[in-house]
Amino acid sequence: KQEVTQIPAALSVPEGENLVLNCSFTDSAIYNLQWFRQDPGKGLTSLLLIQSSQREQTSGRLNASLDKSSGRSTLYIAASQPGDSATYLCAVRNAGNMLTFGGGTRLMVKP
Amino acid sequence: GAVVSQHPSWVICKSGTSVKIECRSLDFQATTMFWYRQFPKQSLMLMATSNEGSKATYEQGVEKDKFLINHASLTLSTLTVTSAHPEDSSFYICSARDRRRETGELFFGEGSRLTVL
Repeated sequence: KQEVTQIPAALSVPEGENLVLNCSFTDSAIYNLQWFRQDPGKGLTSLLLIQSSQREQTSGRLNASLDKSSGRSTLYIAASQPGDSATYLCAVRNAGNMLTFGGGTRLMVKP
Repeated sequence: GAVVSQHPSWVICKSGTSVKIECRSLDFQATTMFWYRQFPKQSLMLMATSNEGSKATYEQGVEKDKFLINHASLTLSTLTVTSAHPEDSSFYICSARDRRRETGELFFGEGSRLTVL
């Protein structure tokens, strides 16, 4: 059974800092890995999708890496802004359509 | 990206009543949709996989007679919480995969917050 862990569970940083969110998974036989953002009381917004054959994806100030063999992914956020404050979730897709979610990292960027 | 819409976004009901939540893929067809449940400050837990034209597949521990799922068309899946009780109060989120996209990316609705009094 796939298990996904995110560290840290919560993070508070001053505006402008670069930061890294971590995601680890136990079963490396994944199809893809997806990073999401969730604002309080809202649904999920897809940020980045990394296929199992890829090592990283970039979108604006966000960069996600994937090391499938070690079961790890990181989400790098450059020059953080207060608007980046949210919960960040990583989810792993194994064979089939099922996504397994991590517990999330609650990020607070202080002005 | 593809758009998934949920309705209602929030609902309050009395204990014992039934509540229906709709999940629509607005600009794509989805043969498969997924229903998740999220408790406060917790991550998403998959409840069931909704398959167009066939019965839903429920995860272990999810009562299929309590959480009725219907996927009548390629753009609509519904989740009905029957005889709701306060412990059913939660945030319900659906997702769908755009089968035109080879990436397998999943898109999520905005969620529906259910409060059972």
